[in-house]
Amino acid sequence: DIQMTQSPSSLSASVGDRVTITCQASQDISNYLNWYQQKPGKAPKLLIYDASNLETGVPSRFSGSGSGTDFTFTISSLQPEDIATYYCQQYDNLPPPITFGQGTRLEIK
Amino acid sequence: EVQLVESGGVVVQPGGSLRLSCAASGFTFDDYAMHWVRQAPGKGLEWVSLISWDGGSTYYADSVKGRFTISRDNSKNSLYLQMNSLRAEDTALYYCAKDRDSSAYYFDYWGQGTLVTVSS
Repeated sequence: DIQMTQSPSSLSASVGDRVTITCQASQDISNYLNWYQQKPGKAPKLLIYDASNLETGVPSRFSGSGSGTDFTFTISSLQPEDIATYYCQQYDNLPPPITFGQGTRLEIK
Repeated sequence: EVQLVESGGVVVQPGGSLRLSCAASGFTFDDYAMHWVRQAPGKGLEWVSLISWDGGSTYYADSVKGRFTISRDNSKNSLYLQMNSLRAEDTALYYCAKDRDSSAYYFDYWGQGTLVTVSS
């Protein structure tokens, strides 16, 4: 099975900061990588699909990049409402399993 | 508006069985694959199972293979998860999630989850 290594596991940043989270796959997954945001007590929300495509309605301060094994998720200017846990998810090895990264908990400094 | 509403979560003893349901609305249910994803208390997300749009193909995480069965009734716009031989480590919030496509293998809508607690 493909393993996803997400880092850091937690992050504290100030409003307005640029925030970066990385996800590394154990083997080449092309661009089959998505990013989700989960706020406390809520279901996850799709932000980025296919590594770099912004889901409809998601603010443009969120972006994703990468291909192969190394991927990056960026918030260009952190806002208070961005406090959440962020997860990467791969879906290259068909049929599944589908796997998630361990999550990054983002806090305001 | 897409809505996914899970039900059926309860406290059950180890070794017991349970059936979760997910009622879908706001989209053409039989156009899309559907998933179950779970989250143990304070932990990350774990994909559990996938069923194709027509129910003809099903897939499972190794952790539940042979114990859980996913199914769907397209006439009722409903998704199900039959859970047998439950273990303490199955304790989690179980989410129903809609696939982006008939086989995109990622999730564009999620329900609010139903809590399954396996405890004696």
